[in-house]
Amino acid sequence: KAGVTQTPRYLIKTRGQQVTLSCSPISGHRSVSWYQQTPGQGLQFLFEYFSETQRNKGNFPGRFSGRQFSNSRSEMNVSTLELGDSALYLCASSLAGTGMNEQYFGPGTRLTVT
Amino acid sequence: GEDVEQSLFLSVREGDSSVINCTYTDSSSTYLYWYKQEPGAGLQLLTYIFSNMDMKQDQRLTVLLNKKDKHLSLRIADTQTGDSAIYFCAEGRNDYKLSFGAGTTVTVRA
Repeated sequence: KAGVTQTPRYLIKTRGQQVTLSCSPISGHRSVSWYQQTPGQGLQFLFEYFSETQRNKGNFPGRFSGRQFSNSRSEMNVSTLELGDSALYLCASSLAGTGMNEQYFGPGTRLTVT
Repeated sequence: GEDVEQSLFLSVREGDSSVINCTYTDSSSTYLYWYKQEPGAGLQLLTYIFSNMDMKQDQRLTVLLNKKDKHLSLRIADTQTGDSAIYFCAEGRNDYKLSFGAGTTVTVRA
């Protein structure tokens, strides 16, 4: 069974631009979560989707948004990029995301904002 | 509270056992997890333990949970050079997210 895939793997953008990252979960998984990883803040939860509905959102500004499609694939968007948005963005999928919250992570998208 | 704390560094000799410790603060945590991250890679789920368990063993890995003290540990037996990585402790509740510690960098020396 294929693991969680994320595209693109690397991205360089300029301040003020916007970016869209994509995540394909493990087949059969309906929950997708997104995390931001930086050296200073560590791993921070962005949001979680299940059956196209956002069930929880972390403490990030409104510039960060996401969505999930009917096939469980998810995208996250960051508008008006800032230097501080440079990070590794990790996507995780799980069967249902509740209780037994066993989450499998993808390799991440490394975003660099210049 | 959601704070998860871990020591930042651990150096261990090849063949010895490694013990990585973690404390968490949220008594409503349902599952506690250990993830491994190698350079340039995502997070690999190593093992997890349900909050009503005390211990779980999985090959070279042993997880101990002291719920009274909110203390979690991961023991790696016969540590190998391939075990050099950053190890993250994480707690999960029924709110669909994980809260992570800062990670412990394990260095295995020959």
